[in-house]
Amino acid sequence: AQKITQTQPGMFVQEKEAVTLDCTYDTSDQSYGLFWYKQPSSGEMIFLIYQGSYDEQNATEGRYSLNFQKARKSANLVISASQLGDSAMYFCAMREANQAGTALIFGKGTTLSVSS
Amino acid sequence: NAGVTQTPKFRILKIGQSMTLQCTQDMNHNYMYWYRQDPGMGLKLIYYSVGAGITDKGEVPNGYNVSRSTTEDFPLRLELAAPSQTSVYFCASSYPMARNEQYFGPGTRLTVT
Repeated sequence: AQKITQTQPGMFVQEKEAVTLDCTYDTSDQSYGLFWYKQPSSGEMIFLIYQGSYDEQNATEGRYSLNFQKARKSANLVISASQLGDSAMYFCAMREANQAGTALIFGKGTTLSVSS
Repeated sequence: NAGVTQTPKFRILKIGQSMTLQCTQDMNHNYMYWYRQDPGMGLKLIYYSVGAGITDKGEVPNGYNVSRSTTEDFPLRLELAAPSQTSVYFCASSYPMARNEQYFGPGTRLTVT
């Protein structure tokens, strides 16, 4: 079974609009972390935001916020006021504390296209 | 701080050739990882290391080998390259705790023909 599911292969948004990228996860661990990374066309992986399973508040980093709904096992990324430079692939990832090496488990990604 | 560096950036291999992808980090991270990313997909873990002298397999280790003789370096060896190993390879490093982000290198784009 997939541990990280991103159901939106592609999303389209106009500049200055907000957009939500969906992510659901599956784990039996109580302690885990959820991450979002951005991959622009140049290929590098850019860390955006982190949410810990015990964090009570939703994480925010500038225009990025993470809508964490633990009971539903969802960790959606919200980008407010989209910019043309936000066009990229976005990956949701999970890190389980009890997993050896604590490697990231990635979803398949969502391509975001921002138009003017 | 250079972060995580990888060489080479691009490489074309013929079937059956071997090569080593280099990865170095200068953040004194214990944990290092190798991932591969196939077109249109997320990253999959090949191997990881929790410290010098300690390595273990990830989800897709077949056809690869690693070593970790120092904290800084974590090379990935491809033996007998196959077309299925055409991919982008990312090295990453982090501190051990689950909340610590992983820092990624710029990637190596490998084509096997």
